[in-house]
Amino acid sequence: RKEVEQDPGPFNVPEGATVAFNCTYSNSASQSFFWYRQDCRKEPKLLMSVYSSGNEDGRFTAQLNRASQYISLLIRDSKLSDSATYLCVADPTGGGNKLTFGTGTQLKVEL
Amino acid sequence: ETGVTQSPTHLIKTRGQQVTLRCSSQSGHNTVSWYQQALGQGPQFIFQYYREEENGRGNFPPRFSGLQFPNYSSELNVNALELDDSALYLCASSLDFSVSGENEQYFGPGTRLTVT
Repeated sequence: RKEVEQDPGPFNVPEGATVAFNCTYSNSASQSFFWYRQDCRKEPKLLMSVYSSGNEDGRFTAQLNRASQYISLLIRDSKLSDSATYLCVADPTGGGNKLTFGTGTQLKVEL
Repeated sequence: ETGVTQSPTHLIKTRGQQVTLRCSSQSGHNTVSWYQQALGQGPQFIFQYYREEENGRGNFPPRFSGLQFPNYSSELNVNALELDDSALYLCASSLDFSVSGENEQYFGPGTRLTVT
């Protein structure tokens, strides 16, 4: 079983739609979590950090459920520019010295 | 932009050769982590350097080695290249977690290595 698992997608949604991605992690010792966005052939860019039960930043909301060991990312009012791969990341050491990435979920927002 | 730079951008090597990749961290960041990202996969942690010493290592063989310099820049060295080493190599810099309590990592643009 992979340490961090995500549905690879692709998720094809119309502009303006709300879309949710789920991610599960296997190491219950993980303390902090992140969502990164990666455009094709580019580096991952930090989208959100999730340290407690959740975090909200504009159209983006991340939630953490420690009991079920999953993290979700909700994107509201999706834009064409949101099209990218979204990487779910866990920090099993709690000290930031070994981030574990999922394989990513691909999102395509269409007109 | 994160301020993390990597060189070279692209590199083509032959199986069995050795390669050195370089990374300059964001100003104020003293920790550098290296990742390998194969096509269609998420980044895989190789190792991290903090205060010029290795501070954690993933499941990579010893032919993957690294250095960190006093100015916090870092090198990734790969010996005896194999075809499967073809990937995007990413470095990420971060603050000293014990001081900042933050462990967000900021990535450079990567070096795309092709082994033929």
